[in-house]
Amino acid sequence: TQLLEQSPQFLSIQEGENLTVYCNSSSVFSSLQWYRQEPGEGPVLLVTVVTGGEVKKLKRLTFQFGDARKDSSLHITAAQPGDTGLYLCAGSTLSGTYKYIFGTGTRLKVLA
Amino acid sequence: GAVVSQHPSWVICKSGTSVKIECRSLDFQATTMFWYRQFPKQSLMLMATSNEGSKATYEQGVEKDKFLINHASLTLSTLTVTSAHPEDSSFYICSATEHTEAFFGQGTRLTVV
Repeated sequence: TQLLEQSPQFLSIQEGENLTVYCNSSSVFSSLQWYRQEPGEGPVLLVTVVTGGEVKKLKRLTFQFGDARKDSSLHITAAQPGDTGLYLCAGSTLSGTYKYIFGTGTRLKVLA
Repeated sequence: GAVVSQHPSWVICKSGTSVKIECRSLDFQATTMFWYRQFPKQSLMLMATSNEGSKATYEQGVEKDKFLINHASLTLSTLTVTSAHPEDSSFYICSATEHTEAFFGQGTRLTVV
């Protein structure tokens, strides 16, 4: 069974601080996605990475895919209260099927 | 982006009854849709892959006779929770893929009393 471990599980920080969330697995992924989910809603896609070593930036968010395509990280600079939510990584091990297995999740709370 | 709609958004049912949840791709066709379940404060667990015109593929540990999936058209997949029990209470979410991006429904909160 594929397993995507995220760390930390919970994170509570002050507005303006930086943070990094990690997503690790023993499996190799053809692609990996990061989502943010608000309570009572479906997840919203933030980014998709497909190439080992790839780095993508989305405003204050920086995503990195490990060279071996087994791990990924999400770094948020100068966190804001609006960043609060559940962050999920999701990996697909078979190219083209879009069957994604979700990570264990990181619950982030940014305090004003 | 593409829109995936789930209905209902929430439902309360009595133990032993069956509940049907619909997942529709509103502006694109999806030959494959996915059903997930999410318990409070936990991540999404993939339950099954819904394939248009053929049988669904269930993940290990998911009872196919309890969670009936029908994908009769390119825009609609349904999940029926049969003989529901309180432990089936959860947030059920579907997704469909257009091109390389997965789009999620807003989810259905099922409470079995």
